Amino acid sequence: AQSVTQLGSHVSVSEGALVLLRCNYSSSVPPYLFWYVQYPNQGLQLLLKYTSAATLVKGINGFEAEFKKSETSFHLTKPSAHMSDAAEYFCAVSETGGSYIPTFGRGTSLIVHP
Amino acid sequence: DAGVTQSPTHLIKTRGQQVTLRCSPKSGHDTVSWYQQALGQGPQFIFQYYEEEERQRGNFPDRFSGHQFPNYSSELNVNALLLGDSALYLCASRGLAGVNEQYFGPGTRLTVT
Repeated sequence: AQSVTQLGSHVSVSEGALVLLRCNYSSSVPPYLFWYVQYPNQGLQLLLKYTSAATLVKGINGFEAEFKKSETSFHLTKPSAHMSDAAEYFCAVSETGGSYIPTFGRGTSLIVHP
Repeated sequence: DAGVTQSPTHLIKTRGQQVTLRCSPKSGHDTVSWYQQALGQGPQFIFQYYEEEERQRGNFPDRFSGHQFPNYSSELNVNALLLGDSALYLCASRGLAGVNEQYFGPGTRLTVT
């Protein structure tokens, strides 16, 4: 079984500040991990994914995430927030060698203040 | 290259009615999955279609059914609508080369009154 916990339903930062969105996962086998972004009234867009290669993954729009097996974490970071980063962010896990159906967290809403 | 498309964008139905939502996958993709996203929640997997057959199913009742056509497009049908079926319904597609990466459509917002 697999599951994802996103700590904090809302995260508020100032423009230019560091963005840190937390994700912890549970998986009985080595996982694939994903971060998606959802803008209002839109579908999900893939930001980045971990598929057992490098543990530090770089994605689009300046985001990156680090896979830490010992902590079962896959936190998303961005050095400097932009107003355009305001959106809902979802962490997801799927199991290698399985059905590849991802299980999503409940999401974290990123609020960026000018 | 068109991405995943869904129709309609919005839909209002009355409790007890039936609804059909449509999805066209990204070019080159042959596998389609459907998700339900309730307000304030993450997407929940409904089912997945490949080669015109349902291959995987999430924890959804039989009122939810689907179909995949020879051109890989797909439909989601929901019978006997309940108020709790109000949600954003997302379609996602993937191809054989990218089994661990799905591309999502913009969704259909279903409101049941």
